[in-house]
Amino acid sequence: GAVVSQHPSWVICKSGTSVKIECRSLDFQATTMFWYRQFPKQSLMLMATSNEGSKATYEQGVEKDKFLINHASLTLSTLTVTSAHPEDSSFYICSARGPNDYGYTFGSGTRLTVV
Amino acid sequence: KQEVTQIPAALSVPEGENLVLNCSFTDSAIYNLQWFRQDPGKGLTSLLLIQSSQREQTSGRLNASLDKSSGRSTLYIAASQPGDSATYLCAVRRSSGSARQLTFGSGTQLTVLP
Repeated sequence: GAVVSQHPSWVICKSGTSVKIECRSLDFQATTMFWYRQFPKQSLMLMATSNEGSKATYEQGVEKDKFLINHASLTLSTLTVTSAHPEDSSFYICSARGPNDYGYTFGSGTRLTVV
Repeated sequence: KQEVTQIPAALSVPEGENLVLNCSFTDSAIYNLQWFRQDPGKGLTSLLLIQSSQREQTSGRLNASLDKSSGRSTLYIAASQPGDSATYLCAVRRSSGSARQLTFGSGTQLTVLP
């Protein structure tokens, strides 16, 4: 089946630094990927839609200069949290629509802790 | 705006019981509905996908039904096992629009006691 690989699975960084999270579709091409944020015991909140070769579409309230998304190829999208602060600590998950426009496949998530 | 609700928020059952998780959505114009499982600190694993034209899907001990007109879906788990303990999320995909993203429910946290 379709597999989406997300790295790193966890990261701890100092306040003010930037962190890059990668999301790769391993056995299929994904023209569109999605980035979600999840707070403890809450559901997933869509942050942005990443489109290959064009600018990402951000949801209302999500700072595009804070969360930089790059989708340079059909198999890779990256989310960079710039100048991270403790309030950015969260669980970030990416997903891609599977081949043949069937279901969505999710990465394993990245736990970001900003200290 | 699509809203997805899952009831109950948490459920604890003894091993071996059959159980039903509920999902309701406000806008019936959906393309499909997907049930996911999430273990603590992990990503989402797709369990079942039901297209809008389908009424149910089955995989092993899992059966998901869809009643689009009433805005409801159920996930039935037969003969529950401790390994089924996880959070179960349902998500609907809108039938139109360029974004085509999923709208998630808040999840049901299931605990199966040995």
